Amino acid sequence: DSGVTQTPKHLITATGQRVTLRCSPRSGDLSVYWYQQSLDQGLQFLIQYYNGEERAKGNILERFSAQQFPDLHSELNLSSLELGDSALYFCASSVREGANYGYTFGSGTRLTVV
Amino acid sequence: AQSVAQPEDQVNVAEGNPLTVKCTYSVSGNPYLFWYVQYPNRGLQFLLKYITGDNLVKGSYGFEAEFNKSQTSFHLKKPSALVSDSALYFCAVRDGGGSYIPTFGRGTSLIVHP
Repeated sequence: DSGVTQTPKHLITATGQRVTLRCSPRSGDLSVYWYQQSLDQGLQFLIQYYNGEERAKGNILERFSAQQFPDLHSELNLSSLELGDSALYFCASSVREGANYGYTFGSGTRLTVV
Repeated sequence: AQSVAQPEDQVNVAEGNPLTVKCTYSVSGNPYLFWYVQYPNRGLQFLLKYITGDNLVKGSYGFEAEFNKSQTSFHLKKPSALVSDSALYFCAVRDGGGSYIPTFGRGTSLIVHP
């Protein structure tokens, strides 16, 4: 157990629907990162939050949004889902901002859009 | 801009033999380099990092990596492979003078044969 908890582990939903993925960072970590992993795109950075504030944005679609709450857990909202959104979504956390400290990844949420 | 390449999709090695997983990078400033490992159905685990200092970096599980500035490479090595080392390995880089969000390579599947 890495200390980063992601729920649910698996999610199957239909096109056009909206889902919410949840991440609880490792205790003491203030920074949360969301990544999408697919076979054709590899590991793509979506968005980062630090202590409740959005700090960096990557290749995140406008249909996707995220937030980090006062208790530091984060949620990634995916709406108007398309077949191409099927992927593994990872959350990672670090004690401070930046990769220098090493990220701790959760086990991911596997999203299947049918 | 920062980029990283893992030229081999798959590396096969016999148990007990040395292994090398290759990584090359491109950054404008000083590179900060990382290796992560992903076991099936798990999140990525941090193995080691190079920020500055000795070109040979030692990490978890007996892995090490050699930073070569002239060849812009950061190859992952282990003197004697184990079957349990079979996994997906990711190299990542961030530009020390730029974004602190790293770019990940597409990953190399390491298969260690008994």
